[in-house]
Amino acid sequence: GAVVSQHPSRVICKSGTSVKIECRSLDFQATTMFWYRQFPKQSLMLMATSNEGSKATYEQGVEKDKFLINHASLTLSTLTVTSAHPEDSSFYICSARGTGVRSGELFFGEGSRLTVL
Amino acid sequence: GENVEQHPSTLSVQEGDSAVIKCTYSDSASNYFPWYKQELGKGPQLIIDIRSNVGEKKDQRIAVTLNKTAKHFSLHITETQPEDSAVYFCAARSLNSGNTPLVFGKGTRLSVIA
Repeated sequence: GAVVSQHPSRVICKSGTSVKIECRSLDFQATTMFWYRQFPKQSLMLMATSNEGSKATYEQGVEKDKFLINHASLTLSTLTVTSAHPEDSSFYICSARGTGVRSGELFFGEGSRLTVL
Repeated sequence: GENVEQHPSTLSVQEGDSAVIKCTYSDSASNYFPWYKQELGKGPQLIIDIRSNVGEKKDQRIAVTLNKTAKHFSLHITETQPEDSAVYFCAARSLNSGNTPLVFGKGTRLSVIA
């Protein structure tokens, strides 16, 4: 099946630093990827929709200057949390939309747990 | 926009029993309904999905039913096993509306007691 790889799986950083999370579709091209944030025992909250070659579309309340998204190729999208603070600590999950016969299906990465000290 | 409600929020069953999780949606344009299983510390994994042109789909111990008129769909897990313990999310979207994202339910924490 379609595979989405997310890296790193865990990251700990100091307050004020920036952290980059990568999301790769390994066996299919993804023109659209989505970034979610998940707090403990809660559902997935959509942060932004990432389209290859264009600017990301952010959901209401998500700071685009804080959560930089780049989708430079058909297999890679990155999320950079800039000037991270403890309240940014969360589980970040990317997903990619399938193609061809699996168009419409959404495949998720394994998630990245960010801890900001 | 679409709104998905999911019940129950927690569910405990004895090993071997069946588990049923129910979701409702609000947008009649939605025609794609996937179910995801999320284990602790991992990303959600698609376990089964159904499109609006069918009313039921089955894959071994897992089945999903869809009632378009009532706008609800359900996940059925039979002969539950301890490894079925996880959080399950339902979701909905329209496949005909470009890049609209999936709208998720709030999740159901299933515990299968051995």
